Amino acid sequence: QTVVTQEPSLTVSPGGTVTLTCASNTGAVTSGYYPNWFQQKPGQAPRALIYSTNNRQFWTPARFSGSLLGGKAALTLSGVQPEDEADYYCLLSYGGTQVFGGGTKLTVL
Amino acid sequence: QVQLQESGPGLVKPSETLSLTCTVSGVSIRTYYWSWIRQPPGKGLEWIGYVYNSGNTNYNPSLKSRVTISIDTSKNQFSLKLGSVTAADTAVYYCARGPLDYASAWYIYWGQGALVTVSS
Repeated sequence: QTVVTQEPSLTVSPGGTVTLTCASNTGAVTSGYYPNWFQQKPGQAPRALIYSTNNRQFWTPARFSGSLLGGKAALTLSGVQPEDEADYYCLLSYGGTQVFGGGTKLTVL
Repeated sequence: QVQLQESGPGLVKPSETLSLTCTVSGVSIRTYYWSWIRQPPGKGLEWIGYVYNSGNTNYNPSLKSRVTISIDTSKNQFSLKLGSVTAADTAVYYCARGPLDYASAWYIYWGQGALVTVSS
């Protein structure tokens, strides 16, 4: 069974920088897994942030960036704002099927 | 603009079949990938599967034996059937639109979600 792992929770200070990661139990994550990142706030549907590793949606603030880091997909938030407090999910594609990561609860404190 | 709306029973009995429909407006359902995704209360997202090219499907291997996703191009709708449900299938079920090609952005458009509770 394919499992995608994210940090369950992270805390960051306003204005700080934080990196969320997304790992696959099948091995290193590459661009061929087309990593996508989503933000979800309570009571809302998820919102797409990043696609194909590092491409921002036009509505995604520039402080969000995607990359590959140490065999994982990564989402870095630089200059974190209070409104960035949310759950973040990565999505990896495996040649036809897809798996969401377990999600990271980001607290801005 | 593109809109998706889930509809179906909010309560299903154990061992029965959960059925949901997603009505799409603003774009033809003949193109793009069309997916179902669920989220149990207080938990993370789970990909259920998608339909594309007006009928081809791919499913989550852990649900594959119980899931059918189908498409009705005449009504611009796609549907989910999940059989032999248990309490573990209680979740908010989302329909979502995928891209035109696999490498592009997934799930820009989502329905508002439909809570389905499995209980006798």
